[in-house]
Amino acid sequence: DVKVTQSSRYLVKRTGEKVFLECVQDMDHENMFWYRQDPGLGLRLIYFSYDVKMKEKGDIPEGYSVSREKKERFSLILESASTNQTSMYLCASRTGTGYSSYNEQFFGPGTRLTVL
Amino acid sequence: QKEVEQDPGPLSVPEGAIVSLNCTYSNSAFQYFMWYRQYSRKGPELLMYTYSSGNKEDGRFTAQVDKSSKYISLFIRDSQPSDSATYLCAMSGTGGGNKLTFGTGTQLKVEL
Repeated sequence: DVKVTQSSRYLVKRTGEKVFLECVQDMDHENMFWYRQDPGLGLRLIYFSYDVKMKEKGDIPEGYSVSREKKERFSLILESASTNQTSMYLCASRTGTGYSSYNEQFFGPGTRLTVL
Repeated sequence: QKEVEQDPGPLSVPEGAIVSLNCTYSNSAFQYFMWYRQYSRKGPELLMYTYSSGNKEDGRFTAQVDKSSKYISLFIRDSQPSDSATYLCAMSGTGGGNKLTFGTGTQLKVEL
């Protein structure tokens, strides 16, 4: 079974703090993704990575950065957390290399981040 | 206008009912169509996947794609309380990293 794990289920931070969200997958997937999920807005892609040290911006990258030093680990960084970044953050990984067509993404359980 | 529109519900049905969930989309480049199911406090999991137009059946679940109308559906027959979840449609084109575009999700409750 594919397993995608996220470092925390719930996280409370203060405005201005630097926040790290960690994601690890155990199936040797090349592609990894970070989404945020908000009521009425669905899942929106923040960043994705199709290889180690490679990253591409998604639809809403502002205020976020990512790091992928190892294939199995993809980190989302909030440089200076703000209240509008309160959300559910979901990490996903995907089989296939590069721009292959079939797109089954496996999701982690999510981290609910609250910024006060 | 959003690229993918999905009625958020909530939708409440009695056990045994047939459920119809739908999404419309505007991007004619979409070729791959998926339905994900998300239980409360869990991540989404892939339920059904269809390429281009047509139907696909898996047990009590049937996915339909009508590309001419830019409309996709998920039917659940003999619905069970365990089907209570949020259902997200997702789609992608070919190339360009195949990013998925998600609908907002429909919350379904199947009552005893």
